[in-house]
Formats: sequence, structure tokens, C-alpha cells
Amino acid sequence: KNQVEQSPQSLIILEGKNCTLQCNYTVSPFSNLRWYKQDTGRGPVSLTIMTFSENTKSNGRYTATLDADTKQSSLHITASQLSDSASYICVVSAGSSNTGKLIFGQGTTLQVKP
Amino acid sequence: DGGITQSPKYLFRKEGQNVTLSCEQNLNHDAMYWYRQDPGQGLRLIYYSQIVNDFQKGDIAEGYSVSREKKESFPLTVTSAQKNPTAFYLCASSMGTSGANVLTFGAGSRLTVL
Repeated sequence: KNQVEQSPQSLIILEGKNCTLQCNYTVSPFSNLRWYKQDTGRGPVSLTIMTFSENTKSNGRYTATLDADTKQSSLHITASQLSDSASYICVVSAGSSNTGKLIFGQGTTLQVKP
Repeated sequence: DGGITQSPKYLFRKEGQNVTLSCEQNLNHDAMYWYRQDPGQGLRLIYYSQIVNDFQKGDIAEGYSVSREKKESFPLTVTSAQKNPTAFYLCASSMGTSGANVLTFGAGSRLTVL
């Protein structure tokens, strides 16, 4: 069964600190892995997208890694800001024929406190 | 300013009523999607459309209906047959439906059944 599991479920950190969010997946065939940021009451916004051959990709203070052998990905946030408070969703695309095969994780809720 | 507009943002429905959620995009995207988001769960696909006048059921289509009469518009009707309709509904679009296409999401509509 295609699944995407994220951990932790929620996280609280102090402003300025770093944090790492985890994503484990069992999706076949693998096409790509995306990280989205979703502010409360808003739609998700794409942060990064990585294919099988990419093992790291950065977007400002966000750095995503992908280990296709162990089927794990992480999202590292550097020097957190209050605006980073949001839900972070890992999404894996299964195959290339149909975007309807996107498998969504349940998300990690991050709260950054001053 | 290109994007996806969902309306209304909040909607209350009495049991037994049908309601329609609007989704309009000016990104010239061919594909459009409806997802349902519940607390602690990943997004689940309701319906998607790859082209005008064509749409396909997703994983949880029962109790929902859609139409795609124009490229820009993809309204979702939540019918009285949907037994647990209270949720956050997200509309998305993409250039195509291959696994490489990135989804652009609207801001969402929150439906509450009274």
C-alpha cells in the first residue's frame, strides 16, 4: 500500500533555532517528492520538488534531502522565524501517468515561539 | 495576478442540503482538482479534470459531483448523500497531469454542517 508517514506530528521551537522534519514513504513506482507549507486556513504552497536523482534541494532557509534507497526525506529549517509557524506536508508522486496518484502525508505542525 | 480563487471561504449547511463550492483559475492550467482535508489526515482526492467536459473520480468521490464546462472553472457540489461533509476543501490546478507537474492550490473553503 502506498503510504507517506511524517514525524513528528507537531513541534514547538524557539525563534532562531533550527529544526528537522521527517518523511518516510512506501510508494512505488516513485516519481518525485515534494514539500509544501500550509499556513492555517490557507492552501498549501510548494517549497521544493525532488526527483529520484536529486538528494538535496534548497529554497532559502528550507533545505530538503532525499534518500531514495531508504525512502526517507527530511526538511531542515534554519534560523526559524515566527512566520515559519505552519503545517509542512510531504507529498510523493507515484509514477508519471497521473497526478491523481499523489500520496499526501498527514503533515507536521510547527509552532515557532518568540 | 494569476492564481486560484475559491469561494466562499466559510459555508454552513443544514443536513439534507446540497451546496456548491466555486473554484476559478486564471493560470491557463489544463488540469484541476478537488481535495478534502480533515484534521490529522493527508489530503484526499475527490475529483479531477484533465480537460474541459471531462472529469474523473478520485479516492472519495461518493456524495460529491463536479462539472468542467469552462477551462477556468471547476465547481464542486457537496450533495446530501455525503454523510460527513464537514471539512476543509481545497481546489488545485496544474499544467498537466503527469507526475512532474506542481499543483497550485487555492485558499480553501471550510464547510460546516449544522
